[in-house]
Amino acid sequence: QVQLQESGPGLVKPSGTLSLTCAVSGGSLSGTNWWSWVRQPPGKGLEWIGEVYHSGNTNYNPSLKSRVTISIDKSKNQFSLKLNSLTAADTAVYYCARDQHGDRSNWFDPWGQGTLVTVSS
Amino acid sequence: QSALTQPASVSGSPGQSITISCTETSSDVGVYNLVSWYQHHPGKGPKLLIYEGSKRPSGVSNRFSGSNSGNTASLTISGLQAEDEADYYCCTYAGLSSFVVFGGGTKLTVL
Repeated sequence: QVQLQESGPGLVKPSGTLSLTCAVSGGSLSGTNWWSWVRQPPGKGLEWIGEVYHSGNTNYNPSLKSRVTISIDKSKNQFSLKLNSLTAADTAVYYCARDQHGDRSNWFDPWGQGTLVTVSS
Repeated sequence: QSALTQPASVSGSPGQSITISCTETSSDVGVYNLVSWYQHHPGKGPKLLIYEGSKRPSGVSNRFSGSNSGNTASLTISGLQAEDEADYYCCTYAGLSSFVVFGGGTKLTVL
């Protein structure tokens, strides 16, 4: 079965860039699935960040689009998130997930366990 | 722009049934877009419970069911158990303007 695992620095400085990687095991990044990043600030709900297809096509949350880059590396079976111009508001647990699209829907399954990123000097 | 509204909290006793609503404010969920539901325990990744409004992935208990009526989707949990205590989120595809939107989440307390 497909499993996802996030990795990256747990502490980044304000105005800096967050870089996370999601390693996928038990399956390939190719096929009909998209691959997404979702975050949860402390005490708040889930927020979708964006998604990438195996072709490299991406879609982003409009509220984050100017600061986000999601890329895919099929040779390493992983995909990555970069978020720049960080502020304390970007402190959150970051999750990666497989993103499946239907005719009028999408759903995320499975998810990684998440990694906490704190933005602080 | 699409938004999904959930109650902040619900509660129930073991063995009871509860329903969590998810109301879409800019279009008719039942007609246009189908909701997915997630269970989230602290410290873990969210777990998919329902997709395409009412479909249950293999391995998910049949105590969890989803439905739509007009612009409101609902998640029903029957036979409440202590381990059901968690946060629950609905999610929908919101079109090319927003792509994906999550509801604000509902905290379920099992009394």
